[in-house]
Amino acid sequence: GENVEQHPSTLSVQEGDSAVIKCTYSDSASNYFPWYKQELGKRPQLIIDIRSNVGEKKDQRIAVTLNKTAKHFSLHITETQPEDSAVYFCAASRDGGSQGNLIFGKGTKLSVKP
Amino acid sequence: NAGVTQTPKFQVLKTGQSMTLQCAQDMNHNSMYWYRQDPGMGLRLIYYSASEGTTDKGEVPNGYNVSRLNKREFSLRLESAAPSQTSVYFCASSLIWAGGLNEQFFGPGTRLTVL
Repeated sequence: GENVEQHPSTLSVQEGDSAVIKCTYSDSASNYFPWYKQELGKRPQLIIDIRSNVGEKKDQRIAVTLNKTAKHFSLHITETQPEDSAVYFCAASRDGGSQGNLIFGKGTKLSVKP
Repeated sequence: NAGVTQTPKFQVLKTGQSMTLQCAQDMNHNSMYWYRQDPGMGLRLIYYSASEGTTDKGEVPNGYNVSRLNKREFSLRLESAAPSQTSVYFCASSLIWAGGLNEQFFGPGTRLTVL
């Protein structure tokens, strides 16, 4: 089955710097890669996602890149702000079959220092 | 729209006690999920229901049972609670099970402690 590994587990940056979180996946048939943000004590919420037919997607200060050949995808946050501090989870899934579920990475705790 | 709701928010059980966690969604979603979240372990799928009338085991189903009561409601039951089941439990739903339309919407979570 699918396995998703996420690095780093913790990341500390200064306000205004960029942050990058990387994930690798094992199932070459995976084709959907969402990122979730979980603030302290809150529920996870989708912030951006990408499908395998797209190499990059941007939404304001957030971008996700996908390298299908290497089976890895990354979350990029530019001009970080204190409200970006949270735990970020990557996930992977594929259409149909027994692997339609999202498989999550273990999370990255991002701290943005003012 | 309330989205995904869960009850209770907090619960303390003694070893061996049973309880049911309730989840409901008002988004007309077909698929529903139960996860547990433990420190450093991410979100692990316990059970899921791809559509009304079906349920399947996820990654960590032992010690749990589920019921898809109708399209809106999906409950998780602990028959004989153990300290290893101390965790935060999240219910989630998505429009469909797969196909890139499976953005999952999470409930607020239930913090369960088993003594």
